[in-house]
Amino acid sequence: GENVEQHPSTLSVQEGDSAVIKCTYSDSASNYFPWYKQELGKGPQLIIDIRSNVGEKKDQRIAVTLNKTAKHFSLHITETQPEDSAVYFCAASDTGTASKLTFGTGTRLQVTL
Amino acid sequence: DADVTQTPRNRITKTGKRIMLECSQTKGHDRMYWYRQDPGLGLQLIYYSFDVKDINKGEISDGYSVSRQAQAKFSLSLESAIPNQTALYFCALHYEQYFGPGTRLTVT
Repeated sequence: GENVEQHPSTLSVQEGDSAVIKCTYSDSASNYFPWYKQELGKGPQLIIDIRSNVGEKKDQRIAVTLNKTAKHFSLHITETQPEDSAVYFCAASDTGTASKLTFGTGTRLQVTL
Repeated sequence: DADVTQTPRNRITKTGKRIMLECSQTKGHDRMYWYRQDPGLGLQLIYYSFDVKDINKGEISDGYSVSRQAQAKFSLSLESAIPNQTALYFCALHYEQYFGPGTRLTVT
């Protein structure tokens, strides 16, 4: 089955700096890669996703890149703000099968003033 | 997301008790999922349902059962709760695009 590794487990950045979270996956059949943000006491919220036919996707301050050859994908947050502080999860799935997601173990991002 | 409701939000129960966690949605999606979250382990899939007549086991289904009473309702049961089932439980919809607020379950 799929295995997703996520690094780092914690990340502290100063407000205004960029943050990068990286994930690797094992199953070359995986073709869908979402990212979730989880704030304290809440459920995960889908913030951006990318499919394997695209190498990069941006949404305002958030971007995701995908390297299919190396089987890794990354979340980039620019101009970080205190409200970006949360736990971020990556995930991967093969939408051609049962579309079951395999999640990474999460990155706790803290944006300091 | 207010479109996905989970009850109860917090529950403390004793070993051996049967407990049911409920999920209801107003978004009209067919696909519903139950996930468990433990610190440092991410989210693990317990069961999923693609429609009312379709129930499938996830990676950690042992000790759990589910019922899809209607398109809008998907319940998770712990037949005989044990302490290592203490965790956060999340219901999700539609290719995991929407998650509920979660139920914090403690088994003593």
